[in-house]
Amino acid sequence: NAGVTQTPKFRVLKTGQSMTLLCAQDMNHEYMYWYRQDPGMGLRLIHYSVGEGTTAKGEVPDGYNVSRLKKQNFLLGLESAAPSQTSVYFCASLLDSTDTQYFGPGTRLTVL
Amino acid sequence: GENVEQHPSTLSVQEGDSAVIKCTYSDSASNYFPWYKQELGKGPQLIIDIRSNVGEKKDQRIAVTLNKTAKHFSLHITETQPEDSAVYFCAASWGTGFQKLVFGTGTRLLVSP
Repeated sequence: NAGVTQTPKFRVLKTGQSMTLLCAQDMNHEYMYWYRQDPGMGLRLIHYSVGEGTTAKGEVPDGYNVSRLKKQNFLLGLESAAPSQTSVYFCASLLDSTDTQYFGPGTRLTVL
Repeated sequence: GENVEQHPSTLSVQEGDSAVIKCTYSDSASNYFPWYKQELGKGPQLIIDIRSNVGEKKDQRIAVTLNKTAKHFSLHITETQPEDSAVYFCAASWGTGFQKLVFGTGTRLLVSP
């Protein structure tokens, strides 16, 4: 049982490049989340999913897109990276509202 | 929407002392309050949580208290150890059937031997 895994762990992009971050969970959780963490600002919700095939916007969705084609995977895409998207990205999953969110190890992204 | 404020931003204590971190929330409908510990280079990990129908919860050296009237909740760590050094985040969520957490800005706890 690997829990929540994220790929890649580190990435450096140039402004305007695109990339996809992959989150995978093997706990059969229904809900999945993408957060970004910036110094002094805690974690902010980018997008989330309440089930396979569904996605919704969080607090800071601009510049990102997501997809949940399979229950165990939640993808975060940056179509045209900007320096303001330099951050650490965390994925989380949740079984139901009586449980707690389980976080992945994070992806450190730098946009030059 | 919900807003969570967390204090202090940094806290330094001597090993064996107690540490207290406080959070306030704005939405009286919030009903779930977890605390996460984040070690360097890792993702946040739940250490304790409390729901709105409970005033206090303990787990060994860690306790959380909730004051719904004042809309604040606190994390208490007793007999601190160097391995307690980390960043701690509080969060709040409301509703049923789905959990949407709003996080505080974090407290960096340093426990000196």
